[in-house]
Amino acid sequence: KAGVTQTPRYLIKTRGQQVTLSCSPISGHRSVSWYQQTPGQGLQFLFEYFSETQRNKGNFPGRFSGRQFSNSRSEMNVSTLELGDSALYLCASSLEGGQYNNEQFFGPGTRLTVL
Amino acid sequence: AQSVTQLDSQVPVFEEAPVELRCNYSSSVSVYLFWYVQYPNQGLQLLLKYLSGSTLVKGINGFEAEFNKSQTSFHLRKPSVHISDTAEYFCAVGSSNTGKLIFGQGTTLQVKP
Repeated sequence: KAGVTQTPRYLIKTRGQQVTLSCSPISGHRSVSWYQQTPGQGLQFLFEYFSETQRNKGNFPGRFSGRQFSNSRSEMNVSTLELGDSALYLCASSLEGGQYNNEQFFGPGTRLTVL
Repeated sequence: AQSVTQLDSQVPVFEEAPVELRCNYSSSVSVYLFWYVQYPNQGLQLLLKYLSGSTLVKGINGFEAEFNKSQTSFHLRKPSVHISDTAEYFCAVGSSNTGKLIFGQGTTLQVKP
């Protein structure tokens, strides 16, 4: 089975712009979670989607949003980019259940740099 | 509130030596415990997990961890490390109360020849 794929792998944007990141989960997986990874804050949970519905969310401003499609693929969007949004954005999928008690399979991440 | 503390940010160790990476958590409800590994320029990969049952959990690549409820710890151990074990290791705690998985800050394991 193919693993979790994320596109693009690298992205450079300027402050004020918006960006959309894409994640394709492992075939058959219905839960997709997004994380932001930075050297200072570590891994922080953004949101989790299951069957096209947001099941849980972290403590991020409303500029961060996401969605999940019927084929379980997911996108996250960040509007009005700030310098502090520079990070590695990781997507993870799992079969079902919650992210809190199931193995998650991570993609390689999208490295976003905001100038 | 739920929190995870990895007590060492970096652990240098010589090849073939034993290693222990420490993880403590705080939670007032039943928890689910995980260790993930991240190699350079890659996503995270599950090493092992504790959901219930035996407190000694064996994972991939020769790693094991012990759940200690009284000390709220879930330390990761390997009896003999290899150069290829050089990576960042994350402890994570999931709570059925919040439905969230919280990660520790990570421990960089540096295996020296």
